[in-house]
Amino acid sequence: DSGVTQTPKHLITATGQRVTLRCSPRSGDLSVYWYQQSLDQGLQFLIQYYNGEERAKGNILERFSAQQFPDLHSELNLSSLELGDSALYFCASSVAGVTSTDTQYFGPGTRLTVL
Amino acid sequence: AQSVTQLDSHVSVSEGTPVLLRCNYSSSYSPSLFWYVQHPNKGLQLLLKYTSAATLVKGINGFEAEFKKSETSFHLTKPSAHMSDAAEYFCVVSDLAGGYQKVTFGIGTKLQVIP
Repeated sequence: DSGVTQTPKHLITATGQRVTLRCSPRSGDLSVYWYQQSLDQGLQFLIQYYNGEERAKGNILERFSAQQFPDLHSELNLSSLELGDSALYFCASSVAGVTSTDTQYFGPGTRLTVL
Repeated sequence: AQSVTQLDSHVSVSEGTPVLLRCNYSSSYSPSLFWYVQHPNKGLQLLLKYTSAATLVKGINGFEAEFKKSETSFHLTKPSAHMSDAAEYFCVVSDLAGGYQKVTFGIGTKLQVIP
């Protein structure tokens, strides 16, 4: 158990809908990262937050957005869902992300299925 | 620029034989390097990391990796494969960009262990 929690574990929804994925980082970790893992694209970095502020963006679509709240939990919002958004979405956390040695600890993931 | 190349997308070994998963990296700075393991439908778990101390790094479950700067490699090895080692393995390079940690994941190597 990494200490990172993600809810829900599974999510099934229809095209065009909007969903919210939630992540609670390890106690004491200030940075949260979101990743998308699909069979055809592999593991893709989406976005990083540090202590409530956006720090880095990866291959995140405009239909997707995220935020980190004062209690440091984070939410990833996916809207106008398409079939191709079906994937495993992982959250990871690290202490700060200001040194190259920081370890990212991964949650168990949310499996999103868009029908 | 930062990149990581996992030279094999699939590796198949017999139980009890050695495992070698290859990883080459490119980084403008002195990087940190990580190996993660992902079992089916699970999150990523840290196996080991190199942070510029000893070049031979020991991790969990009998795995180890050797940092070779001259070859820009960080190959993962295990003397004797076990059935439970069947999983996907990710090599990760980490350095600093703009004062913050930047990480890049390899595409992953799927390890099959044959009984």
